[in-house]
Amino acid sequence: QKEVEQDPGPLSVPEGAIVSLNCTYSNSAFQYFMWYRQYSRKGPELLMYTYSSGNKEDGRFTAQVDKSSKYISLFIRDSQPSDSATYLCAMSARYSSASKIIFGSGTRLSIRP
Amino acid sequence: DGGITQSPKYLFRKEGQNVTLSCEQNLNHDAMYWYRQDPGQGLRLIYYSQIVNDFQKGDIAEGYSVSREKKESFPLTVTSAQKNPTAFYLCASSRGFDYEQYFGPGTRLTVT
Repeated sequence: QKEVEQDPGPLSVPEGAIVSLNCTYSNSAFQYFMWYRQYSRKGPELLMYTYSSGNKEDGRFTAQVDKSSKYISLFIRDSQPSDSATYLCAMSARYSSASKIIFGSGTRLSIRP
Repeated sequence: DGGITQSPKYLFRKEGQNVTLSCEQNLNHDAMYWYRQDPGQGLRLIYYSQIVNDFQKGDIAEGYSVSREKKESFPLTVTSAQKNPTAFYLCASSRGFDYEQYFGPGTRLTVT
């Protein structure tokens, strides 16, 4: 079983819809969570990071962490065709001497005009 | 403009040749990383360095080598011992080992 699981998609939604992207994880020590966006043939771009539980909002993007369920989400409101990309979650135990960042394998998202 | 640069964007080599991929950062980050990304797969860690003159193997280090002589630079050599070198290679850096990582634009290596 992978430490971080992410549905590969593809996920196709109409423009303007609310998108929900999710990751589950198995290591309860994870407490630092990140979301990256990767356009085709480009490097991943850090979108948001959150520490521990709760929500964090940045413009149209909201990151949500539910540590009790070991589940994180990224919501995109008013989705645009320019949001079409692969989204990777990442997480780490932070402040642990053996911690490193573990990446999900990514969800491919397509926004239909 | 702070960031990470990788060069070249595309690289073509014949089988049996070693090739070195460049990675430079001006973010003053201590840690640097090399990943490999294959179609339909996630990021796989090749090597990482937490500080100058020190580096550790990642999950798929066989057939690769690195050096970290300067804080800003972390070149990756893909040797002829790497069985399937054709891939998209990504360099990243972070201010500390388990802090958020910032990625370069990537180098697409094709070996024939």
